[in-house]
Amino acid sequence: AQTVTQSQPEMSVQEAETVTLSCTYDTSESDYYLFWYKQPPSRQMILVIRQEAYKQQNATENRFSVNFQKAAKSFSLKISDSQLGDAAMYFCAYRSISGANNLFFGTGTRLTVIP
Amino acid sequence: EPEVTQTPSHQVTQMGQEVILRCVPISNHLYFYWYRQILGQKVEFLVSFYNNEISEKSEIFDDQFSVERPDGSNFTLKIRSTKLEDSAMYFCASRRFSAGWADTQYFGPGTRLTVL
Repeated sequence: AQTVTQSQPEMSVQEAETVTLSCTYDTSESDYYLFWYKQPPSRQMILVIRQEAYKQQNATENRFSVNFQKAAKSFSLKISDSQLGDAAMYFCAYRSISGANNLFFGTGTRLTVIP
Repeated sequence: EPEVTQTPSHQVTQMGQEVILRCVPISNHLYFYWYRQILGQKVEFLVSFYNNEISEKSEIFDDQFSVERPDGSNFTLKIRSTKLEDSAMYFCASRRFSAGWADTQYFGPGTRLTVL
């Protein structure tokens, strides 16, 4: 089974600075999808960014970008110009391209943004 | 923007009791999911549901669990006889069926289940 590991239970960043959240995964599949979800306090998880494994180009969504290293099975999230509203729990998730369409999640990283 | 909603936000029950957790998926979505997160642990997949039947389920989803879509809008998770270890946050999710990969799962805010 696929496993997703987030080794940083908590991170903090100064407002306007940049922070990188780490995620590694284990799979024997050659193609798959990777996601970062954000969960603000008492709110639902929302998708931040996604990446198809066959695409070499790293995905970017405004201030959010990923560093996808397929050989290393690493999928880190970089948040630039951090804002107070970025404070949340961030989950990395894996999804197979075929068969089961459920998500495999990491344990999450709680991000604090310091004013 | 449409959202997945879940009720109640917090459910407290006695061990051995039955509970029903409710979800209203986004209206034009066709795939539905339940996940759970025990405090301090990973979010884990329980079950997926499509076309009025279970399409996938995990090892966690044993005979004590059941799902149904009773009225075309609600999607429910029933736990027949709750155990202490069922205490967790339960998340519902839905997605619009798409042939492409870009079909995001949209999550509800969760129901915190506490079994005493």
